[in-house]
Amino acid sequence: DAEITQSPRHKITETGRQVTLACHQTWNHNNMFWYRQDLGHGLRLIHYSYGVQDTNKGEVSDGYSVSRSNTEDLPLTLESAASSQTSVYFCATRTGPNTEAFFGQGTRLTVV
Amino acid sequence: DQQVKQNSPSLSVQEGRISILNCDYTNSMFDYFLWYKKYPAEGPTFLISISSIKDKNEDGRFTVFLNKSAKHLSLHIVPSQPGDSAVYFCAASVPGGGADGLTFGKGTHLIIQP
Repeated sequence: DAEITQSPRHKITETGRQVTLACHQTWNHNNMFWYRQDLGHGLRLIHYSYGVQDTNKGEVSDGYSVSRSNTEDLPLTLESAASSQTSVYFCATRTGPNTEAFFGQGTRLTVV
Repeated sequence: DQQVKQNSPSLSVQEGRISILNCDYTNSMFDYFLWYKKYPAEGPTFLISISSIKDKNEDGRFTVFLNKSAKHLSLHIVPSQPGDSAVYFCAASVPGGGADGLTFGKGTHLIIQP
């Protein structure tokens, strides 16, 4: 079965460190997304990608970057982790318009 | 400026009764709407969707109603079961928005009381 896998599931890092969250999908979907979920805010879009070599900023992209070197992976990098980036991060894929998005299990990131 | 609003942070319903979750939106360009269910420590899972050309879509115990003139949609769960206790997110997308992602509401925590 096709799936979307995030790693690690839990991460604790220190302020100022660079950290990368992995997302791997076997759906072969071109469209991939990163969201963060915070209490009182729901899910907010960080970055998205239409396909290989394409990346775009979402609603809350400051302090984050992504790269897309193949169809399967969209790693999310926090250049210099801040306490405000403590959150649960979800990766998702989508075939296209008028379709549902499939989500990974999430990564809980704590910045201390 | 929140484009998708779920004004009830939580809702408590007795087992066997109907659960009604509400969602309002402000962007008239939205043409596809979805409901997701989320358990703690898991990713959101797709529940049901509706296109703006319809006003109702049904899937088993779940029905979504769309009122475009009021920019309002609702999710009905009948009958409610203990396993329905979760956070429900309403989401929407614009035409050709496959790569632009979904815009989510803040969620409603549904609690099914035995």
